[in-house]
Amino acid sequence: GAGVSQTPSNKVTEKGKYVELRCDPISGHTALYWYRQSLGQGPEFLIYFQGTGAADDSGLPNDRFFAVRPEGSVSTLKIQRTERGDSAVYLCASSLYGRAQAGSTGELFFGEGSRLTVL
Amino acid sequence: EDKVVQSPLSLVVHEGDTVTLNCSYEVTNFRSLLWYKQEKKAPTFLFMLTSSGIEKKSGRLSSILDKKELSSILNITATQTGDSAIYLCAVGNAGNMLTFGGGTRLMVKP
Repeated sequence: GAGVSQTPSNKVTEKGKYVELRCDPISGHTALYWYRQSLGQGPEFLIYFQGTGAADDSGLPNDRFFAVRPEGSVSTLKIQRTERGDSAVYLCASSLYGRAQAGSTGELFFGEGSRLTVL
Repeated sequence: EDKVVQSPLSLVVHEGDTVTLNCSYEVTNFRSLLWYKQEKKAPTFLFMLTSSGIEKKSGRLSSILDKKELSSILNITATQTGDSAIYLCAVGNAGNMLTFGGGTRLMVKP
């Protein structure tokens, strides 16, 4: 697609429920990132995919968070047993090159985000 | 742990004013510093800086990196209401892991 697409744009759920957030990166971009942005703060890194594999998941806050990218394109961020503290905007970004690849500049192209509200 | 600090946290100016936003960082194996503008949800790329002292310019916006002082500034001249946004600074390390600062919220009043 022309840009990074994220769905849903808004999700309201109850504490304890399971949610899935989807990201469709720019066509041809091999690297995909998930960030979380709480109100008044900058984006916080969660996980980075190079192709199908999670090359760096050091930012995932705990084992309730999981992400997949089975075919190296679309990615899904999954949150189990949601808590009120999970409320944030979840941003997905993609880049043409992976983090350590020649040509990589570090520039990321962001989607519009999915705003998650846990009641 | 890599760290990026932006100042001021927020700023209110009137159209036509000039503003300077600051970003300072502590990062292992610095590779690049990037500025993004975030109006509603998606941050949009403004500049990437890798070399000290070389100004990058785009219209009324310009930015420069000082590797000795571990900092960068973003200047906006002749501000317009459309410049109102959160400006994010991010620093990339050798692995191109980006660490973002908390942002500066700029409001430009007519």
